[in-house]
Amino acid sequence: GAGVSQSPSNKVTEKGKDVELRCDPISGHTALYWYRQRLGQGLEFLIYFQGNSAPDKSGLPSDRFSAERTGESVSTLTIQRTQQEDSAVYLCASSLARFGEAFFGQGTRLTVV
Amino acid sequence: AQSVSQHNHHVILSEAASLELGCNYSYGGTVNLFWYVQYPGQHLQLLLKYFSGDPLVKGIKGFEAEFIKSKFSFNLRKPSVQWSDTAEYFCAVNTNAGKSTFGDGTTLTVKP
Repeated sequence: GAGVSQSPSNKVTEKGKDVELRCDPISGHTALYWYRQRLGQGLEFLIYFQGNSAPDKSGLPSDRFSAERTGESVSTLTIQRTQQEDSAVYLCASSLARFGEAFFGQGTRLTVV
Repeated sequence: AQSVSQHNHHVILSEAASLELGCNYSYGGTVNLFWYVQYPGQHLQLLLKYFSGDPLVKGIKGFEAEFIKSKFSFNLRKPSVQWSDTAEYFCAVNTNAGKSTFGDGTTLTVKP
């Protein structure tokens, strides 16, 4: 596609349920990022994929969070046993790593009730 | 590890005022520098970028930024802001072939 696509755009889930968020990066972009943005706050780095290298998971807040990426394509972010503090907009971005300009998706707004 | 610091969390200006948002980074090697903007209800988009060459770069909507290597800074400026510039602004640094690191963002509110 022309840009980074994320689905769903909105997700409401009950506390304790698992959720899976999807990101389709721009074709050919080797780098992919997940960020979390809580209301009124900045970007919180979660995880970074670069080609076939081991992902940088240093931003994942707990072991309830995990992410996968198949090659240089789709990525999924999974949150297990969701908590209310997980409510936020989850942003995905991709880039051609050697240039670094990140292209963002529209985000998934997650609400845990 | 690289880090990015944006000094102002929230800036409030009147229309036609001049704007300068501070950004400092910590990394000793070659960097690419970016400013991104997030307008209310919209997704993050690139405002301007610096890779090499002239340290004064111009972006969309009259914004510019100056890379001062000795100060590890990349401040964003605009001579005269408009109400439509109300948004959140993020500075970011990328070390060639490495990970991009974002600052915490600055919320700009322009009063009409």
